[in-house]
Amino acid sequence: RKEVEQDPGPFNVPEGATVAFNCTYSNSASQSFFWYRQDCRKEPKLLMSVYSSGNEDGRFTAQLNRASQYISLLIRDSKLSDSATYLCVVNPTPGSYQLTFGKGTKLSVIP
Amino acid sequence: DAGVTQSPTHLIKTRGQHVTLRCSPISGHKSVSWYQQVLGQGPQFIFQYYEKEERGRGNFPDRFSARQFPNYSSELNVNALLLGDSALYLCASSPDSFNYGYTFGSGTRLTVV
Repeated sequence: RKEVEQDPGPFNVPEGATVAFNCTYSNSASQSFFWYRQDCRKEPKLLMSVYSSGNEDGRFTAQLNRASQYISLLIRDSKLSDSATYLCVVNPTPGSYQLTFGKGTKLSVIP
Repeated sequence: DAGVTQSPTHLIKTRGQHVTLRCSPISGHKSVSWYQQVLGQGPQFIFQYYEKEERGRGNFPDRFSARQFPNYSSELNVNALLLGDSALYLCASSPDSFNYGYTFGSGTRLTVV
């Protein structure tokens, strides 16, 4: 089983749609969780951290289910500018400093 | 404030050559990490340095090495380049050794021919 697995995508959605990305991780001891956004041929940029209680930032909501080792990202009212690849990221080992990235899910928001 | 800066932005090398990539972290950030991103994949961890000490190493061959300088800038060195080393090399900095989510530089795109 891969350390971090994401929906294969791509997701093609119309403007204004709600879209959800899912991610599972294999190491139950993982402590830190993030969603990064990466535009074509650019560097990844931190979108939001993911907390056990769930957290929201505007149109974006992230959820963590430790029992199921599952992370989700919900985007409401999709904009054209949301088109990007979304990377699920986990710090798998407490006390270590490496991040493990999923392969990413490509989102295209269509006019 | 300047973000994470990497140089060069693009590089073409021949198989068997050596390459040095450079990174300057955000001012005040003491931790630098290096990642390799092959087309179509997520970034893969190579090294992490904090206060000039190696704090983590990913599953990469000994051809890959790195170091961090007293001003917290860092170099990634790759010897005996292979075609498979062609990738985007990303440097990331964070305030300290704990992970609060890194800030990445725009990367160095290395092509090995």
